[in-house]
Amino acid sequence: SYVLTQPPAVSVAPGQTARITCGGANIGSKSVHWYQQKPGLAPVVVVYDDSERPSGIPERFSGSNSGNTATLTINRVEAGDEADYYCQVWHSSSDHYVFGGGTKVTVL
Amino acid sequence: QVELVESGGGVVQPGRSLRLSCAASGFTFASYGLHWVRQAPGKGLEWVAVVWYDGNHISYEDSVKGRFTISRDNFKNTLHLHMTNLRAEDTAVYYCAKAKTGYNPLDYWGQGTLVTVSS
Repeated sequence: SYVLTQPPAVSVAPGQTARITCGGANIGSKSVHWYQQKPGLAPVVVVYDDSERPSGIPERFSGSNSGNTATLTINRVEAGDEADYYCQVWHSSSDHYVFGGGTKVTVL
Repeated sequence: QVELVESGGGVVQPGRSLRLSCAASGFTFASYGLHWVRQAPGKGLEWVAVVWYDGNHISYEDSVKGRFTISRDNFKNTLHLHMTNLRAEDTAVYYCAKAKTGYNPLDYWGQGTLVTVSS
């Protein structure tokens, strides 16, 4: 089975940059999607296809993907960005969706 | 607008069965893969199963294979998850979500329904 590895937690001061990594074998060959989940709510897509943003998502959110690591970057972090973030890929050979373990972003 | 509304959650004893439903509206139901994703209390997201467009192509996460059955009704725009032989570790909020293809993200999610397996 395919495994995605994320750091459990990232802390960042307001106005600074948060980077959340997602490691997986040759993940650069897959499309990576990122979800934001706030307490008690369903997840929301913030980046899809490695680096695309859905309408309504601020430009402060961006993504990249190469080699064995994908990264979600949040620039000029705001208090409202405090949430859990999950990466996700489709493992086509098994037709399974795979989520990373999630990263809790804390705004100091 | 797109809506996915889950129902059927509750408290059930280990070994018993439960059927979840997800009522969909606001999009062309038969053109999307429909998924179940669960989240145990305080834990991360875990993909459970997918049923693709015509209902004939289905995949399951290994821990639920043989116990859970996903199905869809393209006439009633409804998704189901029939869960049997439930275990304590199946306790979670169950979300339904949709995606156009395997390459696409889960772009809309329901609000979730809580399943608690406990004696």
